Amino acid sequence: EAQVTQNPRYLITVTGKKLTVTCSQNMNHEYMSWYRQDPGLGLRQIYYSMNVEVTDKGDVPEGYKVSRKEKRNFPLILESPSPNQTSLYFCASSKQSTIYNEQFFGPGTRLTVL
Amino acid sequence: LAKTTQPISMDSYEGQEVNITCSHNNIATNDYITWYQQFPSQGPRFIIQGYKTKVTNEVASLFIPADRKSSTLSLPRVSLSDTAVYYCLVGEAGANNLFFGTGTRLTVIP
Repeated sequence: EAQVTQNPRYLITVTGKKLTVTCSQNMNHEYMSWYRQDPGLGLRQIYYSMNVEVTDKGDVPEGYKVSRKEKRNFPLILESPSPNQTSLYFCASSKQSTIYNEQFFGPGTRLTVL
Repeated sequence: LAKTTQPISMDSYEGQEVNITCSHNNIATNDYITWYQQFPSQGPRFIIQGYKTKVTNEVASLFIPADRKSSTLSLPRVSLSDTAVYYCLVGEAGANNLFFGTGTRLTVIP
């Protein structure tokens, strides 16, 4: 089944404790991205990657890191989480296309930073 | 990225046709209009995309007037399971920096 998976789905942590949220897709998509969703603010893009070893900042990159060493994986790293990073996170992937850009989203990771 | 404006929320009874309009006055020549649907605690799901006139698929129809400054997502005969947030996005084909905004929360009432 074609899908984007994220782990963990739920995470409660404390301020300053480094964490990684994994994202993997099995559709051989070139493009992957991370979003966070907060009440009243919609989805905001954190980072995106056009292909292996190519990453770029989205609208809200502060406090996050990413890496793209393999095409299928795009982990989100919070080196020193803070309470304002409590949010619902989504990973997405899509095929690079000049025609249209349907993005496939993962199930989400709900993160709480105490 | 062209800015979009949608109603914050809408209510509809089951079985009715629902039309959600999105305004995008600054749409560029190369921009496409895309709609996503998001159920609670799930990631958004692509519904439909168009450039001009009318596009129809098994889920919805998208109407785009000649000036392309607005678009209307039409959901025929909605059911309770159509209760979701609907996002209108405008961007160049192939662009990946999507701006979702806050969307329209549709509530279908029995």
